[in-house]
Amino acid sequence: KAGVTQTPRYLIKTRGQQVTLSCSPISGHRSVSWYQQTPGQGLQFLFEYFSETQRNKGNFPGRFSGRQFSNSRSEMNVSTLELGDSALYLCASSPSGVLQETQYFGPGTRLLVL
Amino acid sequence: AQSVSQHNHHVILSEAASLELGCNYSYGGTVNLFWYVQYPGQHLQLLLKYFSGDPLVKGIKGFEAEFIKSKFSFNLRKPSVQWSDTAEYFCAVTPWGTYKYIFGTGTRLKVLA
Repeated sequence: KAGVTQTPRYLIKTRGQQVTLSCSPISGHRSVSWYQQTPGQGLQFLFEYFSETQRNKGNFPGRFSGRQFSNSRSEMNVSTLELGDSALYLCASSPSGVLQETQYFGPGTRLLVL
Repeated sequence: AQSVSQHNHHVILSEAASLELGCNYSYGGTVNLFWYVQYPGQHLQLLLKYFSGDPLVKGIKGFEAEFIKSKFSFNLRKPSVQWSDTAEYFCAVTPWGTYKYIFGTGTRLKVLA
């Protein structure tokens, strides 16, 4: 089975712009979670989607949003980019998002905001 | 607020030394516990997990972890590390009734050959 894929892998934006990141889960996986990874902060949970519904979200401002499509692919959007948004954004998928399930991570999208 | 603490941010060991990485969480209810590892240039992957039963859990590559409920801890251990264990290790918790993972800030382990 193909793993979790994320596009693009690298992105450079300037402050004030917006960005959309994409995640394709492992085939058959219906739960997709997004994380922001920065040095010293570890992974911070952004949101989780299952069957096109957001079931939970972390403590991020409303500039961070996401959605999931009927094929389980997911996108996250960040509007009005700030310098502090520079980070590695990771996507993870699992079959149904049951809490005991292992999450399978993608390679991440590295975003640099100038 | 729910949180996970990994007190060791950087650890340097020689090959064959024993390893113990600390993980404590703050949540009063039932949780599932995980350790993930990120080898250089690779994706995060599961090392081991606990959700019920024997509190001593064995994972891949000779790692194990012990859940001590009274101490809210889930420390990772390995009796003898190898150079290939050089990686970043993350502890994570999923509180029952939520759909989110709470990760610690990670511990960078460097094993000297």
